[in-house]
Amino acid sequence: DTGVSQDPRHKITKRGQNVTFRCDPISEHNRLYWYRQTLGQGPEFLTYFQNEAQLEKSRLLSDRFSAERPKGSFSTLEIQRTEQGDSAMYLCASSSSGGDYEQYFGPGTRLTVT
Amino acid sequence: AQSVTQLGSHVSVSEGALVLLRCNYSSSVPPYLFWYVQYPNQGLQLLLKYTTGATLVKGINGFEAEFKKSETSFHLTKPSAHMSDAAEYFCAVSEIRGGADGLTFGKGTHLIIQP
Repeated sequence: DTGVSQDPRHKITKRGQNVTFRCDPISEHNRLYWYRQTLGQGPEFLTYFQNEAQLEKSRLLSDRFSAERPKGSFSTLEIQRTEQGDSAMYLCASSSSGGDYEQYFGPGTRLTVT
Repeated sequence: AQSVTQLGSHVSVSEGALVLLRCNYSSSVPPYLFWYVQYPNQGLQLLLKYTTGATLVKGINGFEAEFKKSETSFHLTKPSAHMSDAAEYFCAVSEIRGGADGLTFGKGTHLIIQP
């Protein structure tokens, strides 16, 4: 068990460009979550997958954001036409449905939009 | 809708002193409650959780928290602070059984340890 991994760790992009982040959950976990964390704030929930199905989306997830988990394993989060307000840490977490209720977090991807 | 309030964005204690970080929640159903710690440029690590049963829960690194339903609180304590405890601490709540929903986090408390 190598934990939740995220790639890249840092991304700098110009406003208007598209970016994509990847999250690899703990292998036996069937639930996967995306959060956004801005400076000085706690993480804010974006979306949640159980296996390949996207079951919940926050109203924070605007039309420019899309997330996928095509085979129920890794997930991608794409932001189209980035804006400076998208600058944040994007965190991924995974959990099992086995009942320990713990979400295990990855190290995050820090996005800077210039 | 659920919400979490952490009183004090910064808390400073001396090494060896008691640590008390406050968390109050709002939930329409019996909540699941969590405390996470975040070190600089790292993800979140679970300290402890309350789901059901005993209201005093013990976690890693000597931390513990008590669920008080009447006060809607879940304060985090540690009897003796260590320099390595300096970090950001987040309280979070989940309302759906099995934790199968996004967590709602407080804004965090930055714990400073004075030598």
